[in-house]
Parts: sequence; C-alpha cells; structure tokens
Amino acid sequence: ETGVTQSPTHLIKTRGQQVTLRCSSQSGHNTVSWYQQALGQGPQFIFQYYREEENGRGNFPPRFSGLQFPNYSSELNVNALELDDSALYLCASSLSNRNTEAFFGQGTRLTVV
Amino acid sequence: SQQGEEDPQALSIQEGENATMNCSYKTSINNLQWYRQNSGRGLVHLILIRSNEREKHSGRLRVTLDTSKKSSSLLITASRAADTASYFCATPTGGGNKLTFGTGTQLKVEL
Repeated sequence: ETGVTQSPTHLIKTRGQQVTLRCSSQSGHNTVSWYQQALGQGPQFIFQYYREEENGRGNFPPRFSGLQFPNYSSELNVNALELDDSALYLCASSLSNRNTEAFFGQGTRLTVV
Repeated sequence: SQQGEEDPQALSIQEGENATMNCSYKTSINNLQWYRQNSGRGLVHLILIRSNEREKHSGRLRVTLDTSKKSSSLLITASRAADTASYFCATPTGGGNKLTFGTGTQLKVEL
C-alpha cells in the first residue's frame, strides 16, 4: 500500500457528462500528478499540482482540469466526456516536484458509454 | 507521446529463470525509474537509477543505465509466479517529477 487513495474505483458515465475523480496524497507529499492509461498503453501525463498551483500540463484539452487543496489532496475534472476518455486514471504523489519516485494510487476505471 | 520503448512487448518464462527487459528513451535524463503494474491496477515503484549511475541493485532486481545509448535494462533474477505483471520504464521530463512512460513489457512467469 502506497498511502495514496483514489475514489471511486470504478465509474460509468454517458458521453457528454462531466466527472470528478478524487485523490488523497501520501502524508507529507505536496505534489500530485494525474495520468491517463488507455488499455494496453503506458500512462500518459495529464497535469501536475505543486502546493495548490498547476505545475505543468501534458497534451490534454482544457476540458481536463484539476484542483489541489490545502491538505494536498486533489481532484481531476473532465467535462463533455467522450468515448475515448474511457481509461484508467491514476493519481501519483511525490515528496516534492523534484526528481523523486512517485507513489501511485490504485486508479479509477472510467467507462464512457 | 511515449518517451521510452520497452523491449520485448511480452515475455513468458518459467519460474526460476531470469527475465530481462530493455528500455530506450529519446532525450537527456536526470534519472530513470522502473515501475510494476499488476492487472491494470496502480503502479508500484521498483527502482530509480540516476544519470551518473551505471548499475543498481535491489533484492532480485538489477538495473543498468547506458546514457550514451539512451537505454536501460531491468533484470529480475530467479523469477516467481508473483512477478507476473507489466513493467514500465519512466523518465522525468519537462522539469520536475512529470513522468513519461514507455509502452511496457508484459511478463508472465509460469509454474
């Protein structure tokens, strides 16, 4: 167990809807990153939050947005869901935004129908 | 886009044998990390090797890094059925700890 928890574990949404995924980072970690992993692929970086500020973004459209709270927990919001958004969404926390190991949660499996 | 490419894509071996996976990457790195993923669940960090290191060991794991060839290898010795998983290499890119993952190697260890 990494101490990083994600909720919910599974979710089914309809195309066009909005979804919010949640992540509690490991104690003492101020950096949270979100990744999208399509079936059979490696995780793709969505964005990172460091001390409540966005600290880098991958190649994802603006309908993917996020928040980090004062306790360093985080949310990933996706608007106007598309079928291709179906994936495993992974949250990872790190001790800092420097080059250290990342601790991953178990992920949220999102299915868009 | 994927920074790294793992080779092979899939590997099937018998328990007790060694498993070797390779990773190639494209840009200069500060470090390279290996992760394991069981059945589409969360990733578990295995080992981090810094750019000034050539080899690192952790239990049954041995990682090498060749920055001149932009490649790394992960060796699992005396494999066990519990080692069955997907293995990914990852490199921090764009500053900070934003990881770019390879495509992964699916390892199956049979009894």
